Amino acid sequence: DSGVTQTPKHLITATGQRVTLRCSPRSGDLSVYWYQQSLDQGLQFLIHYYNGEERAKGNILERFSAQQFPDLHSELNLSSLELGDSALYFCASSHYRGREARISGANVLTFGAGSRLTVL
Amino acid sequence: AQTVTQSQPEMSVQEAETVTLSCTYDTSENNYYLFWYKQPPSRQMILVIRQEAYKQQNATENRFSVNFQKAAKSFSLKISDSQLGDTAMYFCAFRERGNKLVFGAGTILRVKS
Repeated sequence: DSGVTQTPKHLITATGQRVTLRCSPRSGDLSVYWYQQSLDQGLQFLIHYYNGEERAKGNILERFSAQQFPDLHSELNLSSLELGDSALYFCASSHYRGREARISGANVLTFGAGSRLTVL
Repeated sequence: AQTVTQSQPEMSVQEAETVTLSCTYDTSENNYYLFWYKQPPSRQMILVIRQEAYKQQNATENRFSVNFQKAAKSFSLKISDSQLGDTAMYFCAFRERGNKLVFGAGTILRVKS
């Protein structure tokens, strides 16, 4: 158990629907990252939140959105789902940012087990 | 943009032997981190080893070690005494400013008995 909890583990839905994936970071971790792993695109960075604020965006579609709540858990919302959105969605968390992290090397991403989304 | 290239889509190794997985990257930054992550059939992403670019000494973690060549922008992973449990997809990753990880396409490693 990595300490990063993702729910649901598996989700099957239909095209056009909307789903929400949830992530609870490791205790004490302030940063949450979302990644998408599909067969043809590999691991793609979607978005990064730090202590409730969006810090970086990757190749995240406009149909997708995310947020991090005051208790530091995060949700990834996927709407108007298409067949191509079928993928494994990972959440990862880390604690430090900035100079302290670079020196200590503590800023390692710890991944959850992923949420497998199948769009039919 | 930083890129990470893993040129070996698949590799096989006999149990107890040594195998090396290749990784090259492209960056204009001077300070950065490199990682190898393992993804077994369970799909969990597991950190194997990390290397700080400002350290010249190659990182080692038990049977896992890296050959970090900063000038060549190369970061290979050596697995010694391969075990069946090492069978997995291995991803090389580069950490950009702001801690976003950029991953390579992965190498599937099969350890044969």
